[in-house]
Amino acid sequence: GAVVSQHPSRVICKSGTSVKIECRSLDFQATTMFWYRQFPKKSLMLMATSNEGSKATYEQGVEKDKFLINHASLTLSTLTVTSAHPEDSSFYICSAVDRPDNYGYTFGSGTRLTVV
Amino acid sequence: GESVGLHLPTLSVQEGDNSIINCAYSNSASDYFIWYKQESGKGPQFIIDIRSNMDKRQGQRVTVLLNKTVKHLSLQIAATQPGDSAVYFCAERGWSNTGKLIFGQGTTLQVKP
Repeated sequence: GAVVSQHPSRVICKSGTSVKIECRSLDFQATTMFWYRQFPKKSLMLMATSNEGSKATYEQGVEKDKFLINHASLTLSTLTVTSAHPEDSSFYICSAVDRPDNYGYTFGSGTRLTVV
Repeated sequence: GESVGLHLPTLSVQEGDNSIINCAYSNSASDYFIWYKQESGKGPQFIIDIRSNMDKRQGQRVTVLLNKTVKHLSLQIAATQPGDSAVYFCAERGWSNTGKLIFGQGTTLQVKP
C-alpha cells in the first residue's frame, strides 16, 4: 500500500533556531500534502494544504512566516519551523493524497519537536 | 466553521465486548468520512472509511455507520481486544476540491482485561 515517510521522528532544537521536517510519498505521486499539528491529548489540527508547484494554503491563525511549507516535487513536502520557541513544541504530522478528490489518504508517522 | 466532534472523550470496555464510538459532524456537504486509530507517539492509522452515498460499511471486526439525516457517524468494534486500546478519531472531508480532512476531538478507548 501507499507509504509516507516522515523525517525526523524526533528533534530537539534550541530556541531561535529553525527546524525542517520532511514528508515523502514513497510509492505514489502526491499532488497534495497536508500538515497537521497535535498537542498532547488533543486532536489533529490542520495547519496548511500543500500543492505541488504552488504556494501552500494556510488555515486561519497559522503563521505562514513561522511555518514555511515547500512542495517542490510530487513526492516531497517540507515544513520548516523558523525561529522556533518552546511554544512551537508539538507533534507534527503530514498526510499525502495523489489527488484531492481521491479517497486514499496516507499519514506519516509524525515528528516530535521539542524546543528548549 | 466546519467541525467534527465526538460524544465521549473516554470509553472503557471489557475485553471481548463490543465497542461503539460516536461522532457528530456539522457539514452536510461532506462526502467522505474516515476513522483513524492513533497510538501514543504515532501517526494516525486508517481503520475504515465510508462515502456519503453509503449508510454502512464493514471491515474485519469493524463497522462504520453513517446517518446523514442527523449527521452522525459511528464506529463499532466487535470483540474488543487489548490491542484496540488507543485514541480513535473520525475525520470528514467537506471540500473535495481541496481534499482537506478535518478531525474530530477523539475518543480514548480503554480495554480492560
